[in-house]
Amino acid sequence: DSGVTQTPKHLITATGQRVTLRCSPRSGDLSVYWYQQSLDQGLQFLIQYYNGEERAKGNILERFSAQQFPDLHSELNLSSLELGDSALYFCASGRGGEGIPEAFFGQGTRLTVV
Amino acid sequence: GQNIDQPTEMTATEGAIVQINCTYQTSGFNGLFWYQQHAGEAPTFLSYNVLDGLEEKGRFSSFLSRSKGYSYLLLKELQMKDSASYLCAVREGAGNMLTFGGGTRLMVKP
Repeated sequence: DSGVTQTPKHLITATGQRVTLRCSPRSGDLSVYWYQQSLDQGLQFLIQYYNGEERAKGNILERFSAQQFPDLHSELNLSSLELGDSALYFCASGRGGEGIPEAFFGQGTRLTVV
Repeated sequence: GQNIDQPTEMTATEGAIVQINCTYQTSGFNGLFWYQQHAGEAPTFLSYNVLDGLEEKGRFSSFLSRSKGYSYLLLKELQMKDSASYLCAVREGAGNMLTFGGGTRLMVKP
């Protein structure tokens, strides 16, 4: 158990809908990263938040947005969903500062758009 | 931007040694990570290299050559449970954002 909690584990929704994925980082971690993993593309970085502020942005679609709250949990909002958005969405957290800067991954949310 | 290459698939025999290579091109290199991922599960951290040389951790070792943009992950005494995808990831700059390669799917056969 990495200590990173993601909910829900599975989500099935229709095209055009909007969903919210939630992530609670490890205790003490200030950074949250969101990644998308589809069968044909591998792990793609979406966005990073550090202590409530956006720190880095990857190939995140305009239909997607995220935020990190004062308690450091984060939410990823996906709107106007398309079939191609079906993927595993991972959240990872990291401490920053000294030491090995590895990211710890949650178990992921499997999104299926039908 | 970054370009990270690793073989798509490899097969090895239980008890043997396998080396998974990763090459990368990046500006502002600031560390290379190896993660293991079983199908449908979360990636788990294996190793980290930021300086040239070999890092050993039990049955797993990782090597880095920054001048060549090259790393490898060495797995010894292979076990069936080592069948998984192995992801090479590069950290660029001061942030902790990682860019992942496509992963190498390793199949360990009896």
